[in-house]
Amino acid sequence: LAKTTQPISMDSYEGQEVNITCSHNNIATNDYITWYQQFPSQGPRFIIQGYKTKVTNEVASLFIPADRKSSTLSLPRVSLSDTAVYYCLVGDKGNTPLVFGKGTRLSVIA
Amino acid sequence: DAGVTQSPTHLIKTRGQHVTLRCSPISGHKSVSWYQQVLGQGPQFIFQYYEKEERGRGNFPDRFSARQFPNYSSELNVNALLLGDSALYLCASSYLATHEQYFGPGTRLTVT
Repeated sequence: LAKTTQPISMDSYEGQEVNITCSHNNIATNDYITWYQQFPSQGPRFIIQGYKTKVTNEVASLFIPADRKSSTLSLPRVSLSDTAVYYCLVGDKGNTPLVFGKGTRLSVIA
Repeated sequence: DAGVTQSPTHLIKTRGQHVTLRCSPISGHKSVSWYQQVLGQGPQFIFQYYEKEERGRGNFPDRFSARQFPNYSSELNVNALLLGDSALYLCASSYLATHEQYFGPGTRLTVT
């Protein structure tokens, strides 16, 4: 399973765009990149998933360069309610379990 | 539609006891996975079931076991509880065995 590296923590002011980058140098051909959000005392929530280039949904965008060795989760105009831990996961989505690291603790400040 | 439900919400047990945690997946979802999350860490994979068969098992001792029922609900059993088993136990469901999983609120287990 490809290992991921992401910053331990980030701070941002309300209304700013936040970009969280995840490194996955050993990503395999069949691997997808998936991001989850977790609030305290709650289960993680699926945010977005992609394989290459750019994926966008109503919550976030995911940018994946051509070499796929990293990915960036972009949260537009964050609010206080976006304060959470964000996890980057890499794996063959149909055949491997989810492997969570320690994630990135995002703190949004008013 | 109801999300993933887990019971009980909280549980306090004594070392050496046995515990059963229950999970009901989202209607139509055929896969259930179990995770253990200790404070300050990400969730750690314990089991995955799909169509009532075990699809994967994480690095947990044999004291941990699980099963999935015909209605796709699931139970996680832990025998001979240790203090280190204190954690939030999360259940997640998905239609297929994919990485787009939907998590329940978890069961907070405290072992004293």
